[in-house]
Amino acid sequence: EVQLVQSGAEVKKPGESLKISCKGSGYSFTSYWIGWVRQMPGKGLEWMGIIYPGDSDTRYSPSFQGQVTISADKSISTAYLQWSSLKASDTAMYYCARLAYYYDSSGLIYHFDYWGQGTLVTVSS
Amino acid sequence: QSALTQPASVSGSPGQSITISCTGTSSDVGSYNLVSWYQQHPGKAPKLMIYEVSKRPSGVSNRFSGSKSGNTASLTISGLQAEDEADYYCCSYAGSSTSVFGGGTKLTVL
Repeated sequence: EVQLVQSGAEVKKPGESLKISCKGSGYSFTSYWIGWVRQMPGKGLEWMGIIYPGDSDTRYSPSFQGQVTISADKSISTAYLQWSSLKASDTAMYYCARLAYYYDSSGLIYHFDYWGQGTLVTVSS
Repeated sequence: QSALTQPASVSGSPGQSITISCTGTSSDVGSYNLVSWYQQHPGKAPKLMIYEVSKRPSGVSNRFSGSKSGNTASLTISGLQAEDEADYYCCSYAGSSTSVFGGGTKLTVL
């Protein structure tokens, strides 16, 4: 069974750093991209970026480039999302999701097929 | 990349059919048959309902169907049930390994 298990809720102050995690199991972690998606309170889903744990190839949305860092440790099947200096506007639920992104006989495949349970990040002074 | 455009809300009575639209551009929805739809119940993670415009993952009811015409994709739910009440998001591949979500649609089952 494919599972993505995220780290627990965090409460931080502005200016602090943070790294949240997403551990994959039940599949070959190095063969699928992992994406991060933000959902601010009462708002919609936003695509932040993706990483291929096999070689750490990473792509960012222009909106999030330079604001966060996505990384992965394939030895422990875990992807990360980190901030060096949090802002109140980073308060949101963050989801990781497995991205089916590859070519098969029918062409390009691209969709998030399994999701983590979410990590709530609250930034407040 | 701008978010895809969805209606903020739709509603229907049990047993009826509803359709949610998702309008993008020739750079995303119009260029690729890689539109997916996600259902999100309050306090829960999103769930994949439709991928590649019209394909259903195993376990998703055949009451859910998808289509696309030009720059607009659509999700249709037939035989509405109370459990279908949720937020629905479309997502399209936008090139260069990136994708973009729609703003979301709240479905109310009357």
